[in-house]
Order: sequence, then C-alpha cells, then structure tokens
Amino acid sequence: EVQLVESGGGLVQPGGSLRLSCAASGFTFSSYAMHWVRQAPGKGLEYVSAISSNGGSTYYANSVKGRFTISRDNSKNTLYLQMGSLRAEDMAVYYCARGPAVAGHFDYWGQGTLVTVSS
Amino acid sequence: EIVMTQSPATLSVSPGERATLSCRASQSVSSNLAWYQQKPGQAPRLLIYGASTRATGIPARFSGSGSGTEFTLTISSLQSEDFAVYYCQQYNNWPPTFGPGTKVDIK
Repeated sequence: EVQLVESGGGLVQPGGSLRLSCAASGFTFSSYAMHWVRQAPGKGLEYVSAISSNGGSTYYANSVKGRFTISRDNSKNTLYLQMGSLRAEDMAVYYCARGPAVAGHFDYWGQGTLVTVSS
Repeated sequence: EIVMTQSPATLSVSPGERATLSCRASQSVSSNLAWYQQKPGQAPRLLIYGASTRATGIPARFSGSGSGTEFTLTISSLQSEDFAVYYCQQYNNWPPTFGPGTKVDIK
C-alpha cells in the first residue's frame, strides 16, 4: 500500500524557516517524481514544487521561487521542503504527492501538514 | 500560466441523480487534465487523468471527457459518499494549475 506521511509543520513567525518531510513507503520511491501542493485554509489547491525521480531536476512555482528548496533522499525514501522567508500567505496545509512524471497528475497524496505563519 | 475555471461553483444534487461538472482552460491543454475529489479534512484523491482515464479503484460511475479547453466530469448516479469538492488540474504547461473547485452538495 502506498503511503505518504508528512511531518514538520507548525507555528513559525513571519520571516522564519521550517523544513517539511514526507516519508514514503509501499512503492519504489526512487522511480517517481515527487511534488508539494498546498491549500490555504478554506481555499483551493496551489502547486508549490516538483523534483525528478533522481533529484537532478527541481521546479518551483513563482510564488515560492528563491525561498523554498525541494530535495529528496532516495536512500531514506524521504522528500523534503525547506521553506524560508515565510510570509502570511504561505500559511496552508502542505501535501506531498506522488506523480508518474514531473509534469503530470498526482496519483497518491499524503494527509498533509499544517504550516501556520503568525507573530 | 494557464487559468482553469470550473462551473458551477456549487451543484446541489439528490442522491441517485446525475451530476455534470465543467472545467475550462484558458488555452489548450490537449488531454493533460486530471480530476480530484476532496472531502472535508482529507487529502485530494485522484479520480481521472488523461481527461478520461479512471484512476485505480475509482468506480465506473465517474467518467471524464473533453480535450483542448473544455472538459466534463460526470457522476452518473450520485452516492452519499460522492458529496465533496471536485477540482480539475492541467499538466500540459508549467506550472500545473488547478481550478477553483465545484462543491457537490445534497439537494
């Protein structure tokens, strides 16, 4: 069974940093692109970032480019999102998702982790 | 960036009835279109990809159609567990973009 479990969310002050993790199991992690998608409270879905299966290529939405860094450790079956210079508008539930490709749909999602940006 | 729109914003349907949800792209996305279902407090679930291919385990009452800029998700006979928000997503152009969602609620 495919499982994606996010962790690392919490309360952070504006301008602060946070690192999210996504532990994957039930599939060959190193064979899939991985993604982060977020959802602000009561709002729709917003794409954040993608990383290729071997980690060699990364992609970002304009809204987070230069502030967020996506990475992965295929030996640990774990995806990361390092978030910096956090703003109020970054407050959201962050989902990791598996995709068959960097540019594609998302076939499995984690349960999400909430990031709250507030002073 | 491709803008996705969905209509209606809310659809009130009785159990057993047919529901038709629309999604439009601001430019052609070919058949690179997915549909997701999201229930309160849960992560989205993939229903349809490639505009018309059902994802693993998705019941046959869900069907997708369309190409280019106009797409439709049809739920042939609504069950109680189908009341949720439905999002379309294009992945033809970077970045992937989602529609604002259609809420299907009980009439």
